[in-house]
Amino acid sequence: LAKTTQPISMDSYEGQEVNITCSHNNIATNDYITWYQQFPSQGPRFIIQGYKTKVTNEVASLFIPADRKSSTLSLPRVSLSDTAVYYCLVGDNRAPQNAGNMLTFGGGTRLMVKP
Amino acid sequence: NAGVTQTPKFRVLKTGQSMTLLCAQDMNHEYMYWYRQDPGMGLRLIHYSVGEGTTAKGEVPDGYNVSRLKKQNFLLGLESAAPSQTSVYFCASSYILRGRTNQPQHFGDGTRLSIL
Repeated sequence: LAKTTQPISMDSYEGQEVNITCSHNNIATNDYITWYQQFPSQGPRFIIQGYKTKVTNEVASLFIPADRKSSTLSLPRVSLSDTAVYYCLVGDNRAPQNAGNMLTFGGGTRLMVKP
Repeated sequence: NAGVTQTPKFRVLKTGQSMTLLCAQDMNHEYMYWYRQDPGMGLRLIHYSVGEGTTAKGEVPDGYNVSRLKKQNFLLGLESAAPSQTSVYFCASSYILRGRTNQPQHFGDGTRLSIL
């Protein structure tokens, strides 16, 4: 299971774009990269997932360079409600024996959005 | 559509007592998971299940047992609670898509357990 490293915390202001980078130097060929968001007193919520290059949805974009040793979650024009902890997970997708391999949440990045 | 429901939401136990946490999902998901989250830390996987009648150990399984008798339910048991098991417990579920397991997990809102 590829280990991930993220910044412990980040500050931003409303309306700014926020980029959170996750390092995963030991990522394997079959590994996917998944990001979750967690608000206080709630369970994590899926944001986005990708394998290579760029993935975009209505909430965020995920940028993955060619070597896949890192990834960047991009949140456009953040608001106060984006204040949360963001987790990066890396793991493979071969069912079913590796079902547990996607499931190591590190400490995450605590994003604080200020007015 | 309730998603993932955890009961109870809060519980205080004395050392040595036993209890069972219930997780129910109404999305017909094959996979279910139990995590614990300690203050200021990420989630750690306790046990998981890839289908009815099957369970497997995660990162921190000691002191816990699980059962998946029905596809929609995943039970987490503490046979003899210890203060070190004071934590917030989260249940999650996910589906398989074309044989791939890394589908987004859907989480419940957690059970806050204090053991005195």
